[in-house]
Amino acid sequence: SQTIHQWPATLVQPVGSPLSLECTVEGTSNPNLYWYRQAAGRGLQLLFYSVGIGQISSEVPQNLSASRPQDRQFILSSKKLLLSDSGFYLCAWSVWGTGFNYGYTFGSGTRLTVV
Amino acid sequence: GESVGLHLPTLSVQEGDNSIINCAYSNSASDYFIWYKQESGKGPQFIIDIRSNMDKRQGQRVTVLLNKTVKHLSLQIAATQPGDSAVYFCAENIYGDFNKFYFGSGTKLNVKP
Repeated sequence: SQTIHQWPATLVQPVGSPLSLECTVEGTSNPNLYWYRQAAGRGLQLLFYSVGIGQISSEVPQNLSASRPQDRQFILSSKKLLLSDSGFYLCAWSVWGTGFNYGYTFGSGTRLTVV
Repeated sequence: GESVGLHLPTLSVQEGDNSIINCAYSNSASDYFIWYKQESGKGPQFIIDIRSNMDKRQGQRVTVLLNKTVKHLSLQIAATQPGDSAVYFCAENIYGDFNKFYFGSGTKLNVKP
């Protein structure tokens, strides 16, 4: 069965510090991978997505970057965190079938607080 | 499109009543829709989906209705239970833009015992 792992669950980081959030998927090959951010009490904002190794699409210009070094690994990074980077970060994957996207499976999320 | 900056509207229902959560979309090329449920501190989970060639789809205690004429989607939950308390998001996939789903702003469902 397919599973998605996202860590850490919570993180408190000072302003100006670097960030690295990791997401891995098991049980599937060549998934689409996504990073979303959710501010408290708000909707889901797509940050990045990737359809293959080394391929990254950025949806929102910001202080963050993403990388996909392996087929089932997706990393969200920042060189210097801002207070506005606080939020709930969600990784997700989706599969294709005959030109059809069957929707996302989300990870459990990382609660990031920048202080 | 995405409505990430809006505060979540809240729907309060009594336990045992039926709940109806609504979602409007704007793109006539949207051809696949999913409802997700997000409990506090967790990632969203798939509830039910519907393709644009359907008007209605039923699951266990949940029904999704699609009205393409007015670009409206609804989620009906029968006999709402305290465990149904969560935030509900609709998501749409646009034909030709298969890689992404666009999420609605979400509705918080509060079930009163």
